[in-house]
Formats: sequence, C-alpha cells, structure tokens
Amino acid sequence: DTAVSQTPKYLVTQMGNDKSIKCEQNLGHDTMYWYKQDSKKFLKIMFSYNNKELIINETVPNRFSPKSPDKAHLNLHINSLELGDSAVYFCASSQDMGGEYYGYTFGSGTRLTVV
Amino acid sequence: SQELEQSPQSLIVQEGKNLTINCTSSKTLYGLYWYKQKYGEGLIFLMMLQKGGEEKSHEKITAKLDEKKQQSSLHITASQPSHAGIYLCGADDGQGAQKLVFGQGTRLTINP
Repeated sequence: DTAVSQTPKYLVTQMGNDKSIKCEQNLGHDTMYWYKQDSKKFLKIMFSYNNKELIINETVPNRFSPKSPDKAHLNLHINSLELGDSAVYFCASSQDMGGEYYGYTFGSGTRLTVV
Repeated sequence: SQELEQSPQSLIVQEGKNLTINCTSSKTLYGLYWYKQKYGEGLIFLMMLQKGGEEKSHEKITAKLDEKKQQSSLHITASQPSHAGIYLCGADDGQGAQKLVFGQGTRLTINP
C-alpha cells in the first residue's frame, strides 16, 4: 500500500493549458504539502495544508491553486501553464504533534513538462 | 529563514570505498532528515535526527548530528552501486513553520 500516492507520474502538455495533479495519503497525517523540484534539483515548498486549511503559500503564482477536499487529499491545479512550470512536483505529508511535525513522507513525484 | 548547505555537491567514488556527505545549517537544527532520491523516483526516507550528538545507522549508512545541532553528516561504509543517487538533507526550523527546508543535494556516483 503506497503511503503517499500522486497521479499522474508524467504529464506533458502545451503552454496555456490547465492541468491538475492529485495526491492522496493513507497515513492519517494532518498536514500535506506540495514541493517543487527544479532542473537543478532544488526542492522547495509551495504550499502546506493542515486539516484542509491552507497554512503556507510560498510566493507561488496564483495560477497555482491547491485544493484539499479532506485531510487525506491535496490536489494541485495549474492554470495557463508556462514553460517555466516544467519541474517535478512532489506531494508530502506529516503528522502534527502539537506544533511539531514528524514523519515527512513524500510521494514519487509528478514530472511535468510544458512544451 | 533556515538555510542548508550540503557538501560536496557531487561525489564520485570507487565501489567499496567509504564516503561522507555533510549538511550545515545557518541555524540550530530541529528534526534533521536525510532522504535519498533516485532518478525518476520519489524521496526515500533514510533517517531523522533530533538530539545533539545523536547517531543512527541503517545497514551501511550512518548519520550523525553534532552537539551544537548545526551540522549533520551521512557516512556510507563500503559503498555499493545501489547507494548511487541524490542525497538530500532537510530540516524543520523548529518555529512551527510546518515545512522542511532542503539542501541542494549531493549527487553520488559509484564506479565499479
């Protein structure tokens, strides 16, 4: 059973399109994240949600909109895709233990290529 | 904000040799995580360190956190081709920021 699963694994799309990436975790964690890994392998946080509430938005263009229908799911919708959006997007989750966070678990990533 | 610096950025070693990767923080580390990433795959959790002086081992990989909690090292003994990949250290800044900040990664190549 995959702890944090993302779909799709690969996504190739044209500039200007709108696309979504889905993420689900079965660990019972309270907090979920989206991270972006660029071509230089820098891994940076984009968003975090705690129990469906947006906690962190790290200066990400508003073309990116996360949605959390419940605490086990965090989807990422991207409007008007640009070439610079090409990257690997990782979903992750962690457990909130009274303000400290443990057990960061990552999905296998979605490789987005915008052409 | 917390910044992590990994060294070296790239490492090529002969199979069977030992190696060390370092992760240095600009601030005190809370919850230092080591992950491994293979091409096209996600991040595989290796170890988490929290206490100053803490050391953990898993198979041939040992990770340490110094007493001041500002530096961690990852040591691989008798390296094997399966150890090849990108090693990332990540840290929670302990400010309730609810996020991990990562180093830039160390790309490890093992030559047979």
